[in-house]
Amino acid sequence: GAVVSQHPSWVICKSGTSVKIECRSLDFQATTMFWYRQFPKQSLMLMATSNEGSKATYEQGVEKDKFLINHASLTLSTLTVTSAHPEDSSFYICSAQGGLADYEQYFGPGTRLTVT
Amino acid sequence: GQQLNQSPQSMFIQEGEDVSMNCTSSSIFNTWLWYKQDPGEGPVLLIALYKAGELTSNGRLTAQFGITRKDSFLNISASIPSDVGIYFCAGGNSNYQLIWGAGTKLIIKP
Repeated sequence: GAVVSQHPSWVICKSGTSVKIECRSLDFQATTMFWYRQFPKQSLMLMATSNEGSKATYEQGVEKDKFLINHASLTLSTLTVTSAHPEDSSFYICSAQGGLADYEQYFGPGTRLTVT
Repeated sequence: GQQLNQSPQSMFIQEGEDVSMNCTSSSIFNTWLWYKQDPGEGPVLLIALYKAGELTSNGRLTAQFGITRKDSFLNISASIPSDVGIYFCAGGNSNYQLIWGAGTKLIIKP
């Protein structure tokens, strides 16, 4: 149980284009989903928290107009990197939490984004 | 903001050795979670601790929630090659957010 999928697993795009990453909870309903960014050899950096049907809460320093998050259903959240630049290249990982009073987060396999 | 100090940063171990890593903070947490991340993958939850003083095992893994609620340790007994990876601790605060440690990289000596 508690399986989270993420698509695509890797993507290469040209500078200036937009990329959408999907995160799905496959066998449970995710009240809350999280988007993280991870640089090589570093820990997870929380970008934003999203609850189904409401606007995402972004961490300080994360541009909400650049990283668009939509949590349309209890099983799907999407992250769109708009007007991507090479500095946006990173490993993006989503996680899902089953309930508002839950702490346990279940992670997707991650998406490697390379902007050329 | 809340921070966790996770140590050691990395460990070289011989197969069969026991391993110990810990996380400490000046803040109190309601829960401690331990995750393992393999290269190019998302973290996988290993153990969740919810009560101060709690000692929980998952196979060769044992973790404890410190009695002060400010620390936790993870032990791995009789390490095997597949234990290689990065281990992260995470403390859960009163806002149901997870605060992450910097990770402990486990490397098996050839």
